[in-house]
Amino acid sequence: KQEVTQIPAALSVPEGENLVLNCSFTDSAIYNLQWFRQDPGKGLTSLLLIQSSQREQTSGRLNASLDKSSGRSTLYIAASQPGDSATYLCAVFGVVFGNEKLTFGTGTRLTIIP
Amino acid sequence: DTEVTQTPKHLVMGMTNKKSLKCEQHMGHRAMYWYKQKAKKPPELMFVYSYEKLSINESVPSRFSPECPNSSLLNLHLHALQPEDSALYLCASSPGPFGEWNTEAFFGQGTRLTVV
Repeated sequence: KQEVTQIPAALSVPEGENLVLNCSFTDSAIYNLQWFRQDPGKGLTSLLLIQSSQREQTSGRLNASLDKSSGRSTLYIAASQPGDSATYLCAVFGVVFGNEKLTFGTGTRLTIIP
Repeated sequence: DTEVTQTPKHLVMGMTNKKSLKCEQHMGHRAMYWYKQKAKKPPELMFVYSYEKLSINESVPSRFSPECPNSSLLNLHLHALQPEDSALYLCASSPGPFGEWNTEAFFGQGTRLTVV
């Protein structure tokens, strides 16, 4: 069974700092890994998608890496802003008992202090 | 258009009511999903329709019933729900067929369901 863990569960940093969110998964047989952002009570916004054959993806101030063999991904946020405050979820897409499935991590609640 | 549209945004229903949640996408995706998310928890998969074939998370009670009228629409029929079913219900879609280059998931904004 695929298990996805995110550390830390919560993080508060001053505005302007760079930060790293971590995601680990137990089954390396994945198609891809996706990072999402979720604001309170809202749906999920896709931030970055890394295919299983890729090691890195960048979008603006965000950079995500993937090390499939060790079951790890990181999301790097540069020059953090108060608008970055949200919950960040990583999710891996793979086959679980013959069914294709997107499995979510436990989430990191990020607060950027102005 | 990369939108997944869910209606309604909010729903309050009694335990004896029957209601339906709706989800629509026009991206030509062939896989659609229902997820349930409780407060401060990650989304949990309930159902997957892939090329109109249904896969079920066997822990989901039968008072939830999915329907896929066509490849663009996905409904979730609700009947005799319990207060613990109150949650955010999220719909998602991905291109399919499943493989490395076809599994980016797009989510709707969710339906906030309250069962009273």
